[in-house]
Amino acid sequence: DQQVKQNSPSLSVQEGRISILNCDYTNSMFDYFLWYKKYPAEGPTFLISISSIKDKNEDGRFTVFLNKSAKHLSLHIVPSQPGDSAVYFCAAIANDYKLSFGAGTTVTVRA
Amino acid sequence: DTGVSQNPRHKITKRGQNVTFRCDPISEHNRLYWYRQTLGQGPEFLTYFQNEAQLEKSRLLSDRFSAERPKGSFSTLEIQRTEQGDSAMYLCASSLGTGRYNEQFFGPGTRLTVL
Repeated sequence: DQQVKQNSPSLSVQEGRISILNCDYTNSMFDYFLWYKKYPAEGPTFLISISSIKDKNEDGRFTVFLNKSAKHLSLHIVPSQPGDSAVYFCAAIANDYKLSFGAGTTVTVRA
Repeated sequence: DTGVSQNPRHKITKRGQNVTFRCDPISEHNRLYWYRQTLGQGPEFLTYFQNEAQLEKSRLLSDRFSAERPKGSFSTLEIQRTEQGDSAMYLCASSLGTGRYNEQFFGPGTRLTVL
């Protein structure tokens, strides 16, 4: 069963505007959340994370928001750049070491 | 390049054949993970090692799958009697430390196609 869900398979945004990627989860045991970015022919690379004790974490152009009551997190990219065009995976960890991934959202930044 | 490497990058095989993939983690990373990614899905956990010990296996890892990490260095993933449903990208990742939140660094993956 899919415990981490990314319901938008794709997102197209104009360069300089904000990209908002959404992620929902069902497992209440998840206490750490991550976003990974993947370019074609490469493995996923870590982007940003957030602990369940926080509701926001910011790193440069990237901000992750966590709403525990709604079991929802989002990634904001401001401003979007052409190099941000990639597949973004939401992932979560429960009381073990394995990552549970969503299906991914393909972001295309238009010039 | 000192990242995670995987070989081969692509493998095409006929149904029923055995295949073996290799993963070389980042030097001195004590944890190593295998994931499988099918088309349109995110990576799914298969198994992980701490040093040479295989500590957990997913129910996705049928009896036809076996993974080893001799001497806690590189790892191999073997699939016996391959089936068309085994076609996927097999990703390896490694991390350093014993905490739960140590960053996992992924390799580029091995794409398996079973004809």
